[in-house]
Amino acid sequence: GQQLNQSPQSMFIQEGEDVSMNCTSSSIFNTWLWYKQDPGEGPVLLIALYKAGELTSNGRLTAQFGITRKDSFLNISASIPSDVGIYFCAGQMGRNDMRFGAGTRLTVKP
Amino acid sequence: GAGVSQSPRYKVAKRGQDVALRCDPISGHVSLFWYQQALGQGPEFLTYFQNEAQLDKSGLPSDRFFAERPEGSVSTLKIQRTQQEDSAVYLCASSPGTGSNQPQHFGDGTRLSIL
Repeated sequence: GQQLNQSPQSMFIQEGEDVSMNCTSSSIFNTWLWYKQDPGEGPVLLIALYKAGELTSNGRLTAQFGITRKDSFLNISASIPSDVGIYFCAGQMGRNDMRFGAGTRLTVKP
Repeated sequence: GAGVSQSPRYKVAKRGQDVALRCDPISGHVSLFWYQQALGQGPEFLTYFQNEAQLDKSGLPSDRFFAERPEGSVSTLKIQRTQQEDSAVYLCASSPGTGSNQPQHFGDGTRLSIL
């Protein structure tokens, strides 16, 4: 089963608003990743974080690797309709040990 | 395209039938992963290949699940005597190297429905 606690499960926001979602774990990870999945497609990598405390941006997206190595957050600024989808956090300890959260379903109302 | 390709996109089978799902990773990618994604959940790890070697199969739910990558490129996930709980999206991912700093690139999955 899922080992990461991702919240919130769903969000309904107005276009232009900022969004924040986070992920926590009882285990430490060496790498945190954030993926977005659209219906009928595979997850697409948004941001990868490799060091505790690291803060990384990709356009309107910003993510941080928590200093305890047990949590991460993703912020989306000035949301637009194409931000709609399911966002997954993933933690990775070794080369092949990636665990996913259950996802945050984002709906953006124009 | 140059991404991970999976086929078929959709598969419907009767309970008890065997199925085979195919994954064509990105050319030259050393690592290949299979995941199972139940409805409303995140992907769950099934198995990992480094070239042709299956280094981790700890996520395979039962001995009815079998995966191979005989020449270190294309991989096949086979499910024998399918059961209804096998219904899910099966995702394949590949990465260029073997380190944990090598992001995985996913295909669009095969949606398997067992009747």
